Amino acid sequence: DTAVSQTPKYLVTQMGNDKSIKCEQNLGHDTMYWYKQDSKKFLKIMFSYNNKELIINETVPNRFSPKSPDKAHLNLHINSLELGDSAVYFCASQGRGNANTGELFFGEGSRLTVL
Amino acid sequence: AQSVAQPEDQVNVAEGNPLTVKCTYSVSGNPYLFWYVQYPNRGLQFLLKYITGDNLVKGSYGFEAEFNKSQTSFHLKKPSALVSDSALYFCAVRPLSGYSTLTFGKGTMLLVSP
Repeated sequence: DTAVSQTPKYLVTQMGNDKSIKCEQNLGHDTMYWYKQDSKKFLKIMFSYNNKELIINETVPNRFSPKSPDKAHLNLHINSLELGDSAVYFCASQGRGNANTGELFFGEGSRLTVL
Repeated sequence: AQSVAQPEDQVNVAEGNPLTVKCTYSVSGNPYLFWYVQYPNRGLQFLLKYITGDNLVKGSYGFEAEFNKSQTSFHLKKPSALVSDSALYFCAVRPLSGYSTLTFGKGTMLLVSP
């Protein structure tokens, strides 16, 4: 069983389109994250949700909107895609008891290419 | 604000030799420190963490890391490198107190040659 699963793994689309990436975790964790990894492999946090509530929203354009229908899911919707949005997007989760000390569990990533 | 520095973009080691991947950090108060590994086209995998206690932390795949408070370092080490250790390694930090997200370094590519 995959602990943190993301779909799709690959996504190629045109500028201006709207797309979504889905994430699900079966670890029973309360906290989930979206990270963006650029072409230089630098990791930047985008959002953090705890038990369906947004707790961190880094400087991310309004075109990016996370949605958490329940604590096991955190989806990322992107409007009006731009070339600079091309990256690998990682979902991650973290357990309640380890809110500050526990490791993150990452999904395999969703590679978004905007043409 | 917290930060992590990984001064080497790439580390080259021959198989069987010891390896070190360097990491220094800056954080208010005491740190929680982590190492993650990323294989090509994969997500990050947890290797090990330092919370408190013994400065030498042992983790997965024979890796260990040494916490040095005076030098604010948390270098990753392995006594004998394997070709399969070739991957991208990330150091990360968060402060002990309060809530804060994990801050990652820029990553160090480890290449182990046969």
